[in-house]
Amino acid sequence: GESVGLHLPTLSVQEGDNSIINCAYSNSASDYFIWYKQESGKGPQFIIDIRSNMDKRQGQRVTVLLNKTVKHLSLQIAATQPGDSAVYFCAELGTNAGKSTFGDGTTLTVKP
Amino acid sequence: DAGVIQSPRHEVTEMGQEVTLRCKPISGHNSLFWYRQTMMRGLELLIYFNNNVPIDDSGMPEDRFSAKMPNASFSTLKIQPSEPRDSAVYFCASSPGQGLFEKLFFGSGTQLSVL
Repeated sequence: GESVGLHLPTLSVQEGDNSIINCAYSNSASDYFIWYKQESGKGPQFIIDIRSNMDKRQGQRVTVLLNKTVKHLSLQIAATQPGDSAVYFCAELGTNAGKSTFGDGTTLTVKP
Repeated sequence: DAGVIQSPRHEVTEMGQEVTLRCKPISGHNSLFWYRQTMMRGLELLIYFNNNVPIDDSGMPEDRFSAKMPNASFSTLKIQPSEPRDSAVYFCASSPGQGLFEKLFFGSGTQLSVL
């Protein structure tokens, strides 16, 4: 069956450094990908999205890269700040339109 | 906008009791989703509605779980009878359109503990 998984469960970075969070997906028919950020005690919040006809999309301090050949997605956070500490999820939609399939999540810890 | 509102924030109950979780989606949103989050299983979609109609309930664990959406501004998720393995954080989310290829807006969740 389809699955969306994270390469690493935890990531620790120094404040000011860049962070890269990776995600692998198994369904080549996936059409739309979203990164969510979940802070402690809160629900996931949308960060950035990308459609399968793109390979890169930039937001404010964040960039998402999509490699359809190897079914890999990454989230890059520039100049990581303490407020970026959270769990980051990738989600994919496509074959089960309407249903977002979430990965396991990567916990990002930013050290001051 | 107040966002998606869930109640209660925390619920502690004893095994066998009925539990009702409530959700008010963002006004104007047409799709509503119920998710369950645990350490072991991550975020799981339980059911989603489009225009108040259940579209896919294949994620509902068993008959003890039921969900309703009587109108566009309110939904409930009921567990009866509750069991300790139902302990989790339950999230409600909504999206503006038909729920297809759209980002979700999540509530703050209900932390359920079944003793």
